[in-house]
Parts: sequence; structure tokens; C-alpha cells
Amino acid sequence: DGGITQSPKYLFRKEGQNVTLSCEQNLNHDAMYWYRQDPGQGLRLIYYSQIVNDFQKGDIAEGYSVSREKKESFPLTVTSAQKNPTAFYLCASSPRTGKQGEQYFGPGTRLTVT
Amino acid sequence: DAKTTQPNSMESNEEEPVHLPCNHSTISGTDYIHWYRQLPSQGPEYVIHGLTSNVNNRMASLAIAEDRKSSTLILHRATLRDAAVYYCNANFGYEKLTFGTGTRLTIIP
Repeated sequence: DGGITQSPKYLFRKEGQNVTLSCEQNLNHDAMYWYRQDPGQGLRLIYYSQIVNDFQKGDIAEGYSVSREKKESFPLTVTSAQKNPTAFYLCASSPRTGKQGEQYFGPGTRLTVT
Repeated sequence: DAKTTQPNSMESNEEEPVHLPCNHSTISGTDYIHWYRQLPSQGPEYVIHGLTSNVNNRMASLAIAEDRKSSTLILHRATLRDAAVYYCNANFGYEKLTFGTGTRLTIIP
């Protein structure tokens, strides 16, 4: 089945540790995205990538880093510089860039940092 | 970026139509209107999108005002599975899909 997978579903880390969230898609989509969602809030864009080896900062990129070495993979690293890392993280992809078209979302990773 | 305004919550009886409104008075002429919905602890799911004309698909209909400053998502016959948070987005681009708090739809059996 085609889709987006994120792992793990739940992740626990100690404060001060970096953590990497996985996102893989087999939809052959060019564009991939990372969003953050806090309880009761909407989504905020962290990073996005339109093609391999290229990515751009979204609205809240501070404290995060990404890589896009392969078309199907777009891992997100939450660094110790991120002040409030506990959140629900969502990865998405889309088949085209531009003004229209749907984004396909993964099931999300819930990160808790204590 | 076009700001969107949606009611925080709405209720509807099962098997009745639901009209979910969205205001986007600052929308530009080339911005598409997208609707997504999100069930608890899941990723958002695409529902429908349009530019000027009304649109229909298997999930819903989208009615866009003639001046494009507002739109309405129509669920023709609500089921319990339609209970979710519905997000309207009117500044979609590959780098600009951001959601506000949306409308929490409750379906009453």
C-alpha cells in the first residue's frame, strides 16, 4: 500500500538530547513537509522540501534540522536548542508544488521531552 | 497570507446535512481554498479544494461565494465518522499550508 509512514508513534526523551523522527513515503512525491501541532492548536510548518538535497525553513524552524538525501525520506531532528519540543509532529508529502493539490499526511509522532 | 476565520465548534444530527463556514476576506485572486479534517491523534485528511466554482467529490461539496471572501463545506448526510476538526485554508502553496484551530464538528446520534 502506498502512503507515508512515521516512526515511532510515541517517543520519550530527556531534556538536552537530540532526537530524530523518521518519515518515509512510497508515493513518489517530490515535496515533503514537517509540521508541529500543540494541544488544541492547528498545524505550524517547520521545514519543507521540494526536491532532493534542497529544503527551506517554515514558520518555526528554530531548534530543528532536516535532510533530504533521498526522495522518499525526510527525517526531522529535534535538537536540544528547541525550547518546547513536546508536541505532535506530522510529516506530509504532495505530488506537486504550486498553488493547489492535496497533501498526504502520516499518522504522526507524539514526542514527550522531560 | 489570507487569514481564515471559522467557528470553534458546531453540532449536527446524524444523517442530516452540515454546513461548515469559513471566512477568508483577504484571499488573493490566485489562492485556492482547501479543506482538511483531522480525527483525534491522526494526521489531517484532505477533503476538497476549489478556486472559484463550486466543487463536488465523494466526500463533500464546496460552495465558494462569488466574491471569494467566504466558502462553505457541505457534508450532505453526516455520519458519526464525520466527527472531526475541520480546517479551512486559503493561502495554500507548497510552502504555506498552515491551519488555524478549525471547527470541531460533533455529530449527535
